[in-house]
Amino acid sequence: QKEVEQDPGPLSVPEGAIVSLNCTYSNSAFQYFMWYRQYSRKGPELLMYTYSSGNKEDGRFTAQVDKSSKYISLFIRDSQPSDSATYLCAMSALKRTPLVFGKGTRLSVIA
Amino acid sequence: GAGVSQSPRYKVAKRGQDVALRCDPISGHVSLFWYQQALGQGPEFLTYFQNEAQLDKSGLPSDRFFAERPEGSVSTLKIQRTQQEDSAVYLCASSFGGVETQYFGPGTRLLVL
Repeated sequence: QKEVEQDPGPLSVPEGAIVSLNCTYSNSAFQYFMWYRQYSRKGPELLMYTYSSGNKEDGRFTAQVDKSSKYISLFIRDSQPSDSATYLCAMSALKRTPLVFGKGTRLSVIA
Repeated sequence: GAGVSQSPRYKVAKRGQDVALRCDPISGHVSLFWYQQALGQGPEFLTYFQNEAQLDKSGLPSDRFFAERPEGSVSTLKIQRTQQEDSAVYLCASSFGGVETQYFGPGTRLLVL
């Protein structure tokens, strides 16, 4: 079993839908949780960062962390075709350690 | 430039050739990371530098992989005697502080024939 599990999709939704993406993890030491967006043939771009448990909102994006269940989520409201990309969850135990990534979920938002 | 840059963007190598991949981090960024991303997978950690010191190389898959950052800025990832399984995108990321400031370059797409 990998440390971080993420359903690769693909996930296809109509424009305007609410998208829910999630990851589970096994390492209880993880404290830093990130969501990256990666467009085709580009590097990952940081979307959301959360430390420990809780929620964080930024515009149309909401990140949730439930450490008791070892489960993190990213919600995208009012999805747009420009949101079509691969979404990667990533996490680490310490502030200056490498990230452990999920496989990524490929999202298509259809106009 | 403002971001992390990597060169070359694409590299085709014959099996057995040596390759060198370059990463120019964001100016002033102390930490530098290399990741390998296979097709359809998330990035996997290879090695980590803080300034010129290589603090963690636990992710390097074999002794054919070697990384350096001699002056604490530009880094080079070298792969000797390339194999087909080395085909992947090699991503570099740099950071000034913690993980939340880790910025990625566009990657070098390596194809070994």
